[in-house]
Amino acid sequence: EVQLVESGGGLVQPGGSLRLSCAASRFTFSTYNMNWVRQAPGKGLEWISYISTSSSTIYYADSVKGRFTISRDNAKNSLYLQMNSLRAEDTAVYYCARDLYSSTYPGWFDPWGQGTLVTVSS
Amino acid sequence: SYELTQAPSVSVSPGQTASITCSGDKLGDKYACWYQQKPGQSPVLVIYQDTKRPSGIPERFSGSNSGNTVTLTISGTQAMDEADYYCQAWDSSTHVVFGGGTKLTVL
Repeated sequence: EVQLVESGGGLVQPGGSLRLSCAASRFTFSTYNMNWVRQAPGKGLEWISYISTSSSTIYYADSVKGRFTISRDNAKNSLYLQMNSLRAEDTAVYYCARDLYSSTYPGWFDPWGQGTLVTVSS
Repeated sequence: SYELTQAPSVSVSPGQTASITCSGDKLGDKYACWYQQKPGQSPVLVIYQDTKRPSGIPERFSGSNSGNTVTLTISGTQAMDEADYYCQAWDSSTHVVFGGGTKLTVL
């Protein structure tokens, strides 16, 4: 079964940094575009970033542009999200999700990882 | 920025048909998909490209797209279908956008 496992979440102070990882298994990671999506406590889903297979195309939501950086290492079957200048409003469960649309822009996501909680608080 | 609008809640009796709608400007010109999220769980894709159903998703889930509205229809709704449902589409300005979600209650 295709699997995505996020890690790296935790408690961080406002203005701090955190790096999330997503380990992929049981599929050919290098052939799929990937995404990060977050969900604040009790709220809806918010897409935050997309990266193409070769990392040549990257998109960010306006809410994180300039603060977050998405990257991937196809040799390690891993996706990353470097989060800097964190704010209280970044508090959320962060999911990585495989993109099933083979194009240069995002499509539909399946599966999703189990998520990792990031809490930004002093 | 592009927005998708969903009703906050929908109620349906067991065995009946539930319809969950999602509206957005020129949504009919875009591909839309739907996710189901149960409490404490990750979202699951139930419909993609407006009408296609991933393997493993029951046939009672179907989708349609017309004009500015996409609709997720659940025929013969079961108690296990109680969940939050999110529509999603892509827009050149906003990239990926999700609807606000609809809580489906089966009662």
